[in-house]
Amino acid sequence: SYELTQPPSVSVSPGQTARITCSGETLPRKFVYWYQQKSGQAPVLLIYEDTKRPSGIPERFSASSSGTMAILTISGAQVDDEADYYCYSTDNSGYVHRVFGGGTKVTVL
Amino acid sequence: EVQMLESGGGLVQPGGSLRLSCVASGFSFGSYDMSWVRQAPGKGLEWVSSISGRGENADYADSVKGRLTTSRDNSKNTLYLQLSGLRAEDTAVYYCARDIITSTTYDYYYYMDVWGKGTTVTVSS
Repeated sequence: SYELTQPPSVSVSPGQTARITCSGETLPRKFVYWYQQKSGQAPVLLIYEDTKRPSGIPERFSASSSGTMAILTISGAQVDDEADYYCYSTDNSGYVHRVFGGGTKVTVL
Repeated sequence: EVQMLESGGGLVQPGGSLRLSCVASGFSFGSYDMSWVRQAPGKGLEWVSSISGRGENADYADSVKGRLTTSRDNSKNTLYLQLSGLRAEDTAVYYCARDIITSTTYDYYYYMDVWGKGTTVTVSS
């Protein structure tokens, strides 16, 4: 079955840069999306189609995708950015197969 | 404002059934595919099911196929998830989400842009 792999945790100091990776064999031909989920809340779309930010998402969140790896970057991390981050993509082989990465807990301290 | 509000969660015994509802507002409900995503306690997100805008097609994750049924009533702006044959591993927060479908020359892409706050299902004796 199709999988997306993320590191379980990332730590960053306030004001520094955090990078979260997501690897998957179909990423060279499929868009990746990123969601932020704060404790006790619903997920929020952070990045769509590899690099695009929905309106209202701060510019400090950016993303890239190359080959089998995508990266979410938080530049100038803030305490409020402490959350779980999930990558997501699809595999259209035969039918639409939707997969989330296992999630990365970002700690800002 | 685009919003979804789930309801219907609760405590149910193994083997039991439950129907979840998701009422949508702020957009043309029937023009969008919709999805259900769940999250077991302390675990990550798991896509469960998606249904087309008119309700004629639905897809399911292998883990729930045959036990969960997604439907919708566009006249009521409401999405449903019928859960049956429930197991302990179905214990989770169930979110409904609006689907966005985009395409390029070569492919179609599906993702969820707005999510409800979720409803909790607990399967336990």
